[in-house]
Amino acid sequence: QQQVKQSPQSLIVQKGGIPIINCAYENTAFDYFPWYQQFPGKGPALLIAIRPDVSEKKEGRFTISFNKSAKQFSLHIMDSQPGDSATYFCAASKKGAQKLVFGQGTRLTINP
Amino acid sequence: DVKVTQSSRYLVKRTGEKVFLECVQDMDHENMFWYRQDPGLGLRLIYFSYDVKMKEKGDIPEGYSVSREKKERFSLILESASTNQTSMYLCASSLWVAGRPDTQYFGPGTRLTVL
Repeated sequence: QQQVKQSPQSLIVQKGGIPIINCAYENTAFDYFPWYQQFPGKGPALLIAIRPDVSEKKEGRFTISFNKSAKQFSLHIMDSQPGDSATYFCAASKKGAQKLVFGQGTRLTINP
Repeated sequence: DVKVTQSSRYLVKRTGEKVFLECVQDMDHENMFWYRQDPGLGLRLIYFSYDVKMKEKGDIPEGYSVSREKKERFSLILESASTNQTSMYLCASSLWVAGRPDTQYFGPGTRLTVL
């Protein structure tokens, strides 16, 4: 059973636009929500993460918005650049669990 | 910098062959993971290990086994490769912090094709 659902599967945005990637989870015990970024030919790398005690976290042009009641969180990329073109994975974990649960991934393309 | 290396970037094998994928990390991490990545399915956990000689099944362990004889090395074994095991295989490692795996560091992946 897929515990983290990610959408859209692919996304094309013009440079300077604000792509938004959404994730929804089912398990209310999840308390850590990271996003990983994967460039072609590379493994994923941690981009930004949030815990449910805050509703938003910003790191540079990347922002996570978190809605605990709706069990949803999303990634926004401000002033997107062609260099942001990558596959993005959301994930979730809970204390005591030994693994992350990943979403299906979103292939983002930023056109110049 | 954490470095996770995988033995091959590309591998082509025939159906029925025994396949070994090797992963080495250089940061003394307790946890190591093997995932496969397929379009539209994201990262699916095959096996993980939280200590030497310890292993736990992930979400899709069928057709795979693992070995962790040394802390830095985690091997994925396909006992008899099949075409449906054609995929990208990613290894990752992490520390264990405050009751959960910390940030996972991934290797570059091995693209396996089974003919």
